[in-house]
Amino acid sequence: GQQVMQIPQYQHVQEGEDFTTYCNSSTTLSNIQWYKQRPGGHPVFLIQLVKSGEVKKQKRLTFQFGEAKKNSSLHITATQTTDVGTYFCAGRRAGGGADGLTFGKGTHLIIQP
Amino acid sequence: NAGVMQNPRHLVRRRGQEARLRCSPMKGHSHVYWYRQLPEEGLKFMVYLQKENIIDESGMPKERFSAEFPKEGPSILRIQQVVRGDSAAYFCASSRLRTDYSNQPQHFGDGTRLSIL
Repeated sequence: GQQVMQIPQYQHVQEGEDFTTYCNSSTTLSNIQWYKQRPGGHPVFLIQLVKSGEVKKQKRLTFQFGEAKKNSSLHITATQTTDVGTYFCAGRRAGGGADGLTFGKGTHLIIQP
Repeated sequence: NAGVMQNPRHLVRRRGQEARLRCSPMKGHSHVYWYRQLPEEGLKFMVYLQKENIIDESGMPKERFSAEFPKEGPSILRIQQVVRGDSAAYFCASSRLRTDYSNQPQHFGDGTRLSIL
């Protein structure tokens, strides 16, 4: 079945440093979505990427979708304490199939002031 | 606008009992998805339902688990004869259109934390 892998599992950074999480799928994806989950909270949709090589920005967050539509990354510039949480990528296999998203295990971002 | 509503937020059951988890999608959403999340893990897809129909249950265990989304009322995830391994957070998400065709995001509820004694 489809697998979505995320690295690193944990990332400790000093406040103000940059942060990147990487997502790799075992199959080509029709789209990829990114979610953020605060401790004790629920996943909150951040963004969706659909096109090969697509890059989208949201303030300090930059999202990329690989040319082969099998990998993606999320980069946060100058982290702030409000960025703390777990960042999940979630993809849907190209060509249809299950409607549910396949989530990566997430990257836990821990920020030290 | 009310978001996705799940209840209860916390549910404690003894082994062998039944657990019923409820999910009311966002207004105007007719597609519901259930996910299970273990501590420190990602979300694992269980089942996708549209009103009165199960569209995809490929992620749901064949035994003891069932889901429904009746014409009236919330979607229900039912776990019979619970075991300790069922302890997890169960999240429900909804979307307005079928996400496979429309690339719609899914909106998540706050989840139900199920604990089995």
